Amino acid sequence: AAGVIQSPRHLIKEKRETATLKCYPIPRHDTVYWYQQGPGQDPQFLISFYEKMQSDKGSIPDRFSAQQFSDYHSELNMSSLELGDSALYFCASSLGGGRSNQPQHFGDGTRLSIL
Amino acid sequence: GENVEQHPSTLSVQEGDSAVIKCTYSDSASNYFPWYKQELGKRPQLIIDIRSNVGEKKDQRIAVTLNKTAKHFSLHITETQPEDSAVYFCAAPPRDSNYQLIWGAGTKLIIKP
Repeated sequence: AAGVIQSPRHLIKEKRETATLKCYPIPRHDTVYWYQQGPGQDPQFLISFYEKMQSDKGSIPDRFSAQQFSDYHSELNMSSLELGDSALYFCASSLGGGRSNQPQHFGDGTRLSIL
Repeated sequence: GENVEQHPSTLSVQEGDSAVIKCTYSDSASNYFPWYKQELGKRPQLIIDIRSNVGEKKDQRIAVTLNKTAKHFSLHITETQPEDSAVYFCAAPPRDSNYQLIWGAGTKLIIKP
């Protein structure tokens, strides 16, 4: 079965640079979620989109922005990168958002390292 | 807001024995409780979930029980196998959100051969 596809898998940036992470949800899934996970930490919810509209917002820094496009893929844009942004970034998708919490299925993540 | 506490932080069991991980939540309005398994460096995998209108759900060797009165839910793994070794996370949604999940801190499960 098709899964959530994230790119790139690994990304190395320097402080103050920008980065763009991409997420392609499972086909027919209409909701996308972004999470940040530091070493030994639980995933922290950043933001979600349902039918191309922002549906909920968590602990996403103002330096980050995201959007969902007409084909339902999503991009997380990160600017003025800081050392503390080094983490695993996961995207998840689900079907039928907006009615009630739906099972979220995760991609393999992007490992972002800030030098 | 919602707070999810998970215990224990580490659990070591003999292969073949059972393992139980417990979570408590604070928001009585929470209505959805998933459990995720995460191996080192890999993605969280949804292994089982339960909604608040059900007290127990089972899928082969894993089961989840929910006690709404006490506001806690538990993951039960029977006949543990080496491949069950991983970090397990529980989660619950905060009030008035159909999207966000608040996660427990995780339990590292070690299966001893």
